[in-house]
Amino acid sequence: DAMVIQNPRYQVTQFGKPVTLSCSQTLNHNVMYWYQQKSSQAPKLLFHYYDKDFNNEADTPDNFQSRRPNTSFCFLDIRSPGLGDAAMYLCATSPRDRASYEQYFGPGTRLTVT
Amino acid sequence: KQEVTQIPAALSVPEGENLVLNCSFTDSAIYNLQWFRQDPGKGLTSLLLIQSSQREQTSGRLNASLDKSSGRSTLYIAASQPGDSATYLCAVGPLGSGYSTLTFGKGTMLLVSP
Repeated sequence: DAMVIQNPRYQVTQFGKPVTLSCSQTLNHNVMYWYQQKSSQAPKLLFHYYDKDFNNEADTPDNFQSRRPNTSFCFLDIRSPGLGDAAMYLCATSPRDRASYEQYFGPGTRLTVT
Repeated sequence: KQEVTQIPAALSVPEGENLVLNCSFTDSAIYNLQWFRQDPGKGLTSLLLIQSSQREQTSGRLNASLDKSSGRSTLYIAASQPGDSATYLCAVGPLGSGYSTLTFGKGTMLLVSP
């Protein structure tokens, strides 16, 4: 089945130790998104890629970076995680060419910072 | 800036009840609205998507309506079951981008008791 896959599902990192989260998709969608969701909060868009064009949200901290080496893969890099970065990180995709622009989400990566 | 509000924040009902979840948004210039389900510690599952030109969408026991002019959407769940227990999130996508960057509400946590 076509899907959005996130690895790992659970990640524990130390304060200040760089960490990378991975997202891959078999849907061949043009657009990929990264959201951060803290406990009992709404998912918040960090950035998205339209093909290789990177779009950063204005309030996304510089500590967060992203890479999209090809259509299928997208990475979220947190350069120096702080305790406040502990959250669920959600990857999503959507097609550009279909009228609905429906977003499809992966299962998320739960990040713990110790 | 778009803001999405969901009321109530939590809802507890006995099995078999019909129920309505509410979503309101401040900017009516939307392209689409999506309802999602989120189980504890998990990613988002898309339930229904309504494009701005549509008034409602149905899937099984779920019916979502959209009144764009008043900035409101409702999710109606018929004959609720314990398996419906989850957090329900609504999200709106803006006009004009050619794809959809979603703004989410915080969700309604639903508990259906046997």
